[in-house]
Amino acid sequence: QKEVEQDPGPLSVPEGAIVSLNCTYSNSAFQYFMWYRQYSRKGPELLMYTYSSGNKEDGRFTAQVDKSSKYISLFIRDSQPSDSATYLCSGGYRDDKIIFGKGTRLHILP
Amino acid sequence: KAGVTQTPRYLIKTRGQQVTLSCSPISGHRSVSWYQQTPGQGLQFLFEYFSETQRNKGNFPGRFSGRQFSNSRSEMNVSTLELGDSALYLCASSLANGREKETQYFGPGTRLLVL
Repeated sequence: QKEVEQDPGPLSVPEGAIVSLNCTYSNSAFQYFMWYRQYSRKGPELLMYTYSSGNKEDGRFTAQVDKSSKYISLFIRDSQPSDSATYLCSGGYRDDKIIFGKGTRLHILP
Repeated sequence: KAGVTQTPRYLIKTRGQQVTLSCSPISGHRSVSWYQQTPGQGLQFLFEYFSETQRNKGNFPGRFSGRQFSNSRSEMNVSTLELGDSALYLCASSLANGREKETQYFGPGTRLLVL
C-alpha cells in the first residue's frame, strides 16, 4: 500500500463550483500535511500546510485533516479556470522526509 | 528574490551514460531536496542536503548521488542511465530552521529523456 493515495482524476467541474480533492494515508507517523499545486511544465508550489487534525483556511482554499480516519482534503471555493492544475497532497515525517501522492488533475470548465 | 533555478532544463542522454544536474537554491536557503517525478510513480523523494551533508535519503539505487557545496548549490548525478530514469527531476529549497522545513520552494525542473 502506498503511503499516500490520491485519485489521479481528471476531475472536471464548472467554474464557480466548490472543488473537493481528497487523499488517504497509511502511516500514523506523519507529523504534518501539505497540498501543492503544479501547473503544466512547472514545479509544484505550496498551497497549504497543516500540523494537526481540523481545518485551515486561506482565502478560497481550506485544508482539512482527519487523523482518526487518515484522510486529507482540500476544498476550493468559487473555482476559477486558473485553478486548473495538478494538486499533490503530501505527508511529512519528523525527520522532514516528505511523501507525495501521485496528484489529481483538475479541470475548471469556463 | 530570485527563485530556485535548475540547469539544464532539458536533457537527452543514451543508456549507459551519466548525467549531472544542477540546482541553485533561493538565497539564504540551506536545505536542498531532490525529487524524481514520473507519470507512473508520481513525485518521489531522492535525497536532501543540508549544510553540505546528506540528511535524508529516499529508496533509490546507488546510481543516484548528490552533493552540496558551501554556497548551498547542489548537484545530483545519475550514473549508468537506464530508460526508466527518464523523468522530471525537481529540486526544492527551504530555510530548514525548525518548522520552516515545510515551506519548500520548487524549481522548474530538469526534464531528462534517456534513449
